[in-house]
Amino acid sequence: EDKVVQSPLSLVVHEGDTVTLNCSYEVTNFRSLLWYKQEKKAPTFLFMLTSSGIEKKSGRLSSILDKKELFSILNITATQTGDSAVYLCAVEVSGAGSYQLTFGKGTKLSVIP
Amino acid sequence: KAGVTQTPRYLIKTRGQQVTLSCSPISGHRSVSWYQQTPGQGLQFLFEYFSETQRNKGNFPGRFSGRQFSNSRSEMNVSTLELGDSALYLCASSSGSTAPRSPLHFGNGTRLTVT
Repeated sequence: EDKVVQSPLSLVVHEGDTVTLNCSYEVTNFRSLLWYKQEKKAPTFLFMLTSSGIEKKSGRLSSILDKKELFSILNITATQTGDSAVYLCAVEVSGAGSYQLTFGKGTKLSVIP
Repeated sequence: KAGVTQTPRYLIKTRGQQVTLSCSPISGHRSVSWYQQTPGQGLQFLFEYFSETQRNKGNFPGRFSGRQFSNSRSEMNVSTLELGDSALYLCASSSGSTAPRSPLHFGNGTRLTVT
């Protein structure tokens, strides 16, 4: 059974701190790993990672994938209250052309002023 | 470009009833997926449609069904509702092609409450 595990489940930090969110996976037919941010309703797309060792960056957020050790991290530097959200890690598994994501339970990040 | 649109936003139904949820994907996207989100189980895959064909189905009972129309809009139906079906139902769309694969873009969801 495909499995995606995120840690920690929740995290409280002060504004300006740097945080690292973890995602490990055990899946067959790995295709890509995606990070989403969910504040109220719709998860919004952050990164898609397919190759090991290549860091993706967007402003204060960055992410990297290690396909040998089967994990990914999401870093957020200089956190702001607007970063408070649930961060979801998902793995795409390939098969017969269909598109299916297996999600972790998420990390709830709270940034306090 | 308009995002993924789901209607209705909220629904309250009674056990035993059935419900239909609607999803309009991003223009040009041909793949539509449905996910159920609950506090205990997180986001779980229901099914995916591409060009009016169901390509994949998650581990849900047959009471959960869906379809896709020629304009890529999709509906999902849940029959004989149970209390445990209370959840946020999220629809997501993507281009659906295999290379390069575009990420899933989610709608705001339909919050279903079964009493």
